[in-house]
Amino acid sequence: QVQLVQSGAEMRQPGSSVKVSCKNSGGSFGAKGFSWVRWIPGHGLEWMGGITPVSRTPKIQQHLQGRLIITADASTSTVYMELSGLTSGDTAVYYCASHGGVYFQYSRLDVWGQGSTVTVS
Amino acid sequence: QSVLTQPASVSGSPGQSITISCTGTTRDIGTYNFVSWYQHRPGKAPKLIVSEVDGRPSGVSDRFSGTKSGSTASLTIAGLQAEDEADYYCAAYRSVNAPCVFGSGTEVTVL
Repeated sequence: QVQLVQSGAEMRQPGSSVKVSCKNSGGSFGAKGFSWVRWIPGHGLEWMGGITPVSRTPKIQQHLQGRLIITADASTSTVYMELSGLTSGDTAVYYCASHGGVYFQYSRLDVWGQGSTVTVS
Repeated sequence: QSVLTQPASVSGSPGQSITISCTGTTRDIGTYNFVSWYQHRPGKAPKLIVSEVDGRPSGVSDRFSGTKSGSTASLTIAGLQAEDEADYYCAAYRSVNAPCVFGSGTEVTVL
């Protein structure tokens, strides 16, 4: 059974960075794509960006470009998200989720991690 | 601001059917059949309940069904149950540079 296990909660100060990990177990890591989605209370879900480990070229939401880095380590079946220049507006629950490897499939997020709470204060 | 527009809230009595709309444009829902729906309960990860407009992933109740007309997708929940109380989000493919856009979300209340 495919599972995505994320790193724990983080607290950061404004202006700093945070890196969250997402380890895939089960299934073929290289055959999938992985995206990061955040949930901000009162604002709903937001797709932040995604990556296909085979291509290693991430797609980043336009307004996060320059602040968000997404990487994938096939040797450990782990995907990472690093967000810099944090503000209180980045306080959210961050989820990783898997999908197919082609762009059309990025909106079909079939397996989700448990979520990682990031608090900026 | 979300690209896809949903009603903020929908409610119904147990046993009733409700429908949630998701309005996009010809740049997304109106052109592509890559529309998904998610159920999000407090403190839980979102769950995929409909994919590719009207597909139902394995294990999802057949009380959930999806359709599309023009640039508007819809999710119908039949035989509403207390456990269906949650937020529901649509998501769609838009372009190579915006491969996933979410709707604004709809809070479903079972009266």
